Amino acid sequence: EVQLRESGGTLVRPGGSLRLSCAVSGFTFSSYWMHWVRQAPGKGLVWVSRISSDGGSTSHADSVKGRFTISRDNAKNTLFLEMNSLRTEDTAVYFCARGNYNYDILTGYYYYMDVWGKGTTVTVPS
Amino acid sequence: DIQMTQSPSTLSASVGDRVTITCRASQSISSWLAWYQQKPGKAPILLIYKASNLQSGVPSRFSGTGSGTEFTLTISSLQPDDFATYYCQRYNSYPYTFGQGTKLEIK
Repeated sequence: EVQLRESGGTLVRPGGSLRLSCAVSGFTFSSYWMHWVRQAPGKGLVWVSRISSDGGSTSHADSVKGRFTISRDNAKNTLFLEMNSLRTEDTAVYFCARGNYNYDILTGYYYYMDVWGKGTTVTVPS
Repeated sequence: DIQMTQSPSTLSASVGDRVTITCRASQSISSWLAWYQQKPGKAPILLIYKASNLQSGVPSRFSGTGSGTEFTLTISSLQPDDFATYYCQRYNSYPYTFGQGTKLEIK
């Protein structure tokens, strides 16, 4: 069974740092791109970051660029999100998600999120 | 960034109804669109990918159509388990963006 389990969420002061983890099982982690998505209380889903299967390529949303870093340890089947300079607006449930792909012969690969973890809560109080 | 707009924001319907949710992109995204269902306190579940492909294990009453800038998610006959919030999401380029969500409520 494919499973993703996030951990590391907690209450942290503004300006503080936190590292989230996502431990996976049930599939070959090193073959898949991975994503982080967050959801503020009562709000919609917001994509945060993605990383390629080998960790060599990453992207981040503008709202977290320069503050958050996505990484992975394929030997330990674990995805990470390093969060620095935290702000009140970073308060959210953070989900990790597996990236599956479609392939277009002309334009290449496109990655959607097919399996999600249950999320971990980060609170940055005002 | 390409923006995604869903309508309606809230939809009231009854068990057995046929319902349609619309998602519009601010520019063409070809068919690189996914639909997710989310219930309160739970993770999203993938329903549809590449605009019209049903994810394995998802009931066939769910279907998706569209390409370019306009997309629809249809539930052919609402079941009690379908009352939830639905999101569209484009994945043609980064940063990915989601629609604001459509809350499907029991009438």
